Amino acid sequence: DAKTTQPPSMDCAEGRAANLPCNHSTISGNEYVYWYRQIHSQGPQYIIHGLKNNETNEMASLIITEDRKSSTLILPHATLRDTAVYYCIVRDGTGNQFYFGTGTSLTVIP
Amino acid sequence: DVKVTQSSRYLVKRTGEKVFLECVQDMDHENMFWYRQDPGLGLRLIYFSYDVKMKEKGDIPEGYSVSREKKERFSLILESASTNQTSMYLCASRNRLGTSGKNTGELFFGEGSRLTVL
Repeated sequence: DAKTTQPPSMDCAEGRAANLPCNHSTISGNEYVYWYRQIHSQGPQYIIHGLKNNETNEMASLIITEDRKSSTLILPHATLRDTAVYYCIVRDGTGNQFYFGTGTSLTVIP
Repeated sequence: DVKVTQSSRYLVKRTGEKVFLECVQDMDHENMFWYRQDPGLGLRLIYFSYDVKMKEKGDIPEGYSVSREKKERFSLILESASTNQTSMYLCASRNRLGTSGKNTGELFFGEGSRLTVL
């Protein structure tokens, strides 16, 4: 069973906020939510992660619902270089298993 | 900058050949992982290692084996390559959870090795 569900694709206008949703309705109490992105022909790159609280770093913000069944990655001012596949991942409590879904292909439009 | 290096970006092999995919990390990480990535299936874990000479099966270990003789190196081995093993292979490493200092538990990935088996 898939641990995460994401829309297959999204578009966003350059300079606007990109909001990428993710459902993880079967998440357990000790499982973290991670976000990665993958630019064509490169390995995935870490963006942000969280457990319960909302998180922000220099790249993005992560909003996790109170019941933890879904989350949203926010890129506050999307640029053309943000065009990539974004993966929402649930990491188990041991840290050894990262359950990757099929990701959302984000296209930032000039 | 942290670095995970995969030995070959592109390989073409024939069915039945033995294939070695090498991965080296320079971050002194305890944990290392091998994934394969296929269209529509995302990344799937093949094997991981949490220490030298230790290995654990992931979700799809069939047809693969691994070797971790040194901390910095994790090798993926296809004993007898088959066409259904044509894929992108990604290596990753990570600090063991609970280690001191800034440790987000994130995986650091290599650039990937695209294997074609004819």
